[in-house]
Parts: sequence; C-alpha cells; structure tokens
Amino acid sequence: EVQLVESGGGLVQPGGSLKLSCAASGFTFSGSAIHWVRQASGKGLEWVGHIRTKANNYATAYAASVKGRFTISRDDSKNTAYLQMNSLKIEDTAMYYCTRHPGSGGPNWGQGTLVTVSS
Amino acid sequence: DIQMTQTPSSLSASVGDRVTITCRASQSISSYLNWYQQKPGKAPKVLIYAASTLQTGVPSRFSGSGSGTDFTLTINSLQPEDFATYYCQQSYNTPLTFGPGTKVDIK
Repeated sequence: EVQLVESGGGLVQPGGSLKLSCAASGFTFSGSAIHWVRQASGKGLEWVGHIRTKANNYATAYAASVKGRFTISRDDSKNTAYLQMNSLKIEDTAMYYCTRHPGSGGPNWGQGTLVTVSS
Repeated sequence: DIQMTQTPSSLSASVGDRVTITCRASQSISSYLNWYQQKPGKAPKVLIYAASTLQTGVPSRFSGSGSGTDFTLTINSLQPEDFATYYCQQSYNTPLTFGPGTKVDIK
C-alpha cells in the first residue's frame, strides 16, 4: 500500500523557519517526483513546488509565492522528501500536503501537516 | 501556467439526485485530469484519474468523462456522504493547477 506521511508542522513566528518531512512507503520512492501542495483554511489547493528524480538531476520548481524562501530536497536512502521553509509569512499558514503523480495509476496524497505562522 | 475553471462554484441537491460538475482547462491537457472529493478537515480524496478511471474503492456512482479542455464529473444518485467540495486538477505539466472547487450541499 502506498503511503505518504507528512510531519514537522507547528506554530512559528513570522520570519521564522520550519522543515517539513514527507515519509514514503509502498512504492519505488527514488523513481518518483514529489510535489508539495498547500491549502489555507477555507481556501483552495495551491501547488508549492516539486522535486524530480536523480535521473532528472533532482530538478526543482517552485510557485512564485514561495520562490527564494522555500527549498525542496529529498533523501532517497530514507525514502523521504523535505520542504524547508524560511522567512515565513502569515500568509504561509496552511495545511501542507505531499503528493505523488505516477505515470500509471492515480495520484497519492498524504494526510497533511499544519503550519501556523503567527506572533 | 494552465488555468482550471469549474462550474458551478456551488450547488444544492437532494439525496438521489444526479449531479454534474464541469471543469475546463485553458489549453489542451489530453486526459491528464484528476477529480478529488474533500470534506472539512480531511485531505483530498482521489475519485477519478486520467479523466475517466475510477480510483480503486470509489463507488461506481461516480464517473468522469472528457479530454482536451473540457471535462465532467457526474455523481449518479447522490448519497448523504457525497456532500463535500469537489476539485479538478491537471497533471499535464507543472505547476500542477487546480480548479477553485465546487461545493455540493444539501437542498
């Protein structure tokens, strides 16, 4: 069974940092790109960024709203992807999900981890 | 970026009704279209992927159709547990983009 489990969320002050993790199981993690998607309370879904595989040079891409502040990385030996969030703003408050979109079969999503940016 | 629109933004329906939600992409996305159901406080749940393939475990009253730019999610005989918000999403390229959602509530 495919599983994605996010962790690392919490309360942080504006300007602070937080690192989220996405632990994967049930599939060949090293062969799969991983995306991060967020959702503010009562709002829609917003793509944050993604990291591709080693075969694609671990290429990353980010939404304009987080570029330069957020960094996505991965450790294939630990089957884990990360979202490093720096210079956090109040508007970054959201539930953060990691997700995978395989070439065949349906997407997989984690249960999410909540990030609250507040003083 | 590919823009996704959904109509309607909300609808009221009764148990047993047939419900149709439309999703349109700003450019052709072939069949790279997924449909999700989301309930308050929960992660999005995959209903349909590749425009028309029913995710394992999803009731057969849900169906999807379309290709290119125009897609439809149909719920036949709406059940009490189907009252939720529905999103479409394109996975044709990055950034992944989502429709704004359609909230289905009880009439």
